[in-house]
Amino acid sequence: EPEVTQTPSHQVTQMGQEVILRCVPISNHLYFYWYRQILGQKVEFLVSFYNNEISEKSEIFDDQFSVERPDGSNFTLKIRSTKLEDSAMYFCASSSADTQYFGPGTRLTVL
Amino acid sequence: DQQVKQNSPSLSVQEGRISILNCDYTNSMFDYFLWYKKYPAEGPTFLISISSIKDKNEDGRFTVFLNKSAKHLSLHIVPSQPGDSAVYFCAASTGGNKLVFGAGTILRVKS
Repeated sequence: EPEVTQTPSHQVTQMGQEVILRCVPISNHLYFYWYRQILGQKVEFLVSFYNNEISEKSEIFDDQFSVERPDGSNFTLKIRSTKLEDSAMYFCASSSADTQYFGPGTRLTVL
Repeated sequence: DQQVKQNSPSLSVQEGRISILNCDYTNSMFDYFLWYKKYPAEGPTFLISISSIKDKNEDGRFTVFLNKSAKHLSLHIVPSQPGDSAVYFCAASTGGNKLVFGAGTILRVKS
């Protein structure tokens, strides 16, 4: 069964460093998303991406964040200068219609 | 953001009995509702969904009921099994766009 994959599973970085989180969506899906879950909080939407451009972003998704689909399979989330409060689980999701399928997540720890 | 609420943080059920998980929402523009199951350190796994034009959807042991006038949905699991023990998230969207999640309910099925 097709699934969304994410790498790395765990990323530790120093405050102020750049990180890139990678995702491979399900191959025939056209809509891509990033969500995050800070420990003890709800899963929250960051950004959606369709047809090579951002279709919607939350207020969390400020200028420190960017997304890219560099080739036909990968979908990346870049955080330019990480802050302590960026520590969270980051989930990628993809969909072909209304139902979104999630990857296993990347745990980002900012020290 | 309290648009989707799961008011029960946890639920404990005996194996073989019915589990009922509840979810309330406030945004009348939501037209698609989903239930996800999540284990620790994993991504949300899609379980079942329902469109706002329906009031019931069934898939094996899982049934979702939607009461639009009350802005309430519920997930029924019959019969409950120990492997169902996980965190269950209710989520909602408008037009297939970003998902808004509830806080989750921890289900424990005792054998």
